[in-house]
Amino acid sequence: KQEVTQIPAALSVPEGENLVLNCSFTDSAIYNLQWFRQDPGKGLTSLLLIQSSQREQTSGRLNASLDKSSGRSTLYIAASQPGDSATYLCAVRLTGTASKLTFGTGTRLQVTL
Amino acid sequence: GAVVSQHPSWVICKSGTSVKIECRSLDFQATTMFWYRQFPKQSLMLMATSNEGSKATYEQGVEKDKFLINHASLTLSTLTVTSAHPEDSSFYICSARDPTSKETQYFGPGTRLLVL
Repeated sequence: KQEVTQIPAALSVPEGENLVLNCSFTDSAIYNLQWFRQDPGKGLTSLLLIQSSQREQTSGRLNASLDKSSGRSTLYIAASQPGDSATYLCAVRLTGTASKLTFGTGTRLQVTL
Repeated sequence: GAVVSQHPSWVICKSGTSVKIECRSLDFQATTMFWYRQFPKQSLMLMATSNEGSKATYEQGVEKDKFLINHASLTLSTLTVTSAHPEDSSFYICSARDPTSKETQYFGPGTRLLVL
């Protein structure tokens, strides 16, 4: 059974700091990995999707990397802003599972002024 | 990106009543939709996979007679929580898979259920 863990569970940083969120998964036979953002009481916003054949994806101040062999992904946020405060979730899709996603435990990020 | 809506956005009901939550894909046809449950400060847990025109596939530990799923059209799936109890209080989120992009799931805004 695929298990997805995110470290740290919570993080507070001052505005402007660069930060890294970590995601690890136990089954490396993944189809892809996706990072989401969730604001309190809201649904999910997809940030980045990395296919199993890719090593990284970038969108603006966000960069996600994938090391399938070691079962790890990182989400790098550059020059953090208070508006980045949210919970960040990673999710993996195993091969042959018809789009079924297994979500990580999440990292609650707070960026302070 | 594609849009998925949920209705209602929140609902309060008495214990023992049934509650229906709708999930709609607004600008694409979704043969597959997914229902998740999220307890406070926890991650999303997949409850079931809803397939248009056929029975839903439930995850281990999810009671299919308690959480009724109907996917009668390519744009609508419903989740009915039957005989709701306080422990069913949670945040329910649906997602819809865009068949033109197999990897892409679009998530609804969620429905918060409080059972008194």
